[in-house]
Formats: sequence, C-alpha cells, structure tokens
Amino acid sequence: LAKTTQPISMDSYEGQEVNITCSHNNIATNDYITWYQQFPSQGPRFIIQGYKTKVTNEVASLFIPADRKSSTLSLPRVSLSDTAVYYCLVGDLISSGSARQLTFGSGTQLTVLP
Amino acid sequence: KAGVTQTPRYLIKTRGQQVTLSCSPISGHRSVSWYQQTPGQGLQFLFEYFSETQRNKGNFPGRFSGRQFSNSRSEMNVSTLELGDSALYLCASSPAPLAGGVGELFFGEGSRLTVL
Repeated sequence: LAKTTQPISMDSYEGQEVNITCSHNNIATNDYITWYQQFPSQGPRFIIQGYKTKVTNEVASLFIPADRKSSTLSLPRVSLSDTAVYYCLVGDLISSGSARQLTFGSGTQLTVLP
Repeated sequence: KAGVTQTPRYLIKTRGQQVTLSCSPISGHRSVSWYQQTPGQGLQFLFEYFSETQRNKGNFPGRFSGRQFSNSRSEMNVSTLELGDSALYLCASSPAPLAGGVGELFFGEGSRLTVL
C-alpha cells in the first residue's frame, strides 16, 4: 500500500522557491511518482512525473532520492497564480478484496502571498 | 487537441433521484477513470474503463455504476441519490490502462452535483 503523506498547507511569497515533500514509504518497484496541481472547481493538472533521481521540465523539478521513499516537488520563483492544491500520486493499484483502486494523497494547499 | 469534456458542469438533484454524467476523453485515449472529490474525503477513485470493460473499481456502493462506449466516451450513473453524494465528479483519460506505474492522467473540469 503506497500511501502518500504530504503537509496539509504551505505559505510562500512571490518570487521564492517552494519545495513540497511527499512521503511514500511503501512505494513499489514499478511505481512512478506523479504530481498534480488543482485549482478550485477544476480538475487536477499534470505537473511532472519521475521514477528516480531528478526530473526537470519547464514548470518544476522533481527530486527523488535513491531509496525512493520520498519525493520533493520544487517550484522555482512562484507567483500568485501558483496558489493551488498540489497532489502527490504514487502509481499504485491497491487490492482490496476484488477492488483495485488508485489513491491520491490528501494534497498540500500552497498559498503564495504578495 | 481537445481536452477531456465533461457534461453537465453543474446539476442539482433531490434525494432518491438518479443522475447520469458524461465524459468524452481526449481523441485516441481508451482509458477513462472516474473520481469523486469532496472536502472531507478528498479525491477518491470510483472506477476505470478501458476498451468498454471495467478494469478497476474503488470502494463505492453498487449505486455507482458506469459504462464505456465503443468510441471511448464514458458515462457514470448514480442511482437513489443521497445527500452525501454531493461532490465534484471528475473523469480522466489516458492512452493506456491504469497499471502499477500510472502515467499521466488528463482530467476534465468535472461535474458539480448537488443533492438536496
């Protein structure tokens, strides 16, 4: 069961770098780590995905240590528009009886202040 | 390329009624998964369809059902609505079925259901 744990909320100021860490102690060998961003009344939007070490794209970086039991989403120079909920998802279909289900973490509310 | 389209965006029902929500995936995507999002429970997985077959199912009662058509469009039905079914219902599409290493999911904007 690759349950994820994230901080409930974080505050930052415009122009700062923000790092959000997610713990996933029971991550499976084949699982990737994916981060999503969600604004109110909208569906989550893919930010970045990685398996190990470091991944960078035009909006964020993802750092994954060798043991893969945690990951850190790094948002460089945040702006007010980055205020949103950020979800860490570890690809894991959990068997529960006959049901196999995908589980998101509770998310981190990032508030960027002027 | 058009994104995932969900209809209707907003709807109000009363207890005991039923509701059908629709989801049109991105062209070429054959996997559609559904999620319920509430303030108290967060994002919860309902089920996934791939090539018209339900592949995975979350822990929801049988009142929640779905289907997928040959063009990959999917519908979700909730019968005998309860107050607690008020939520944002999201669908997501992906090219491949959900597996151990879940790839990028493309979400729609959701259908906001209010049950009175």
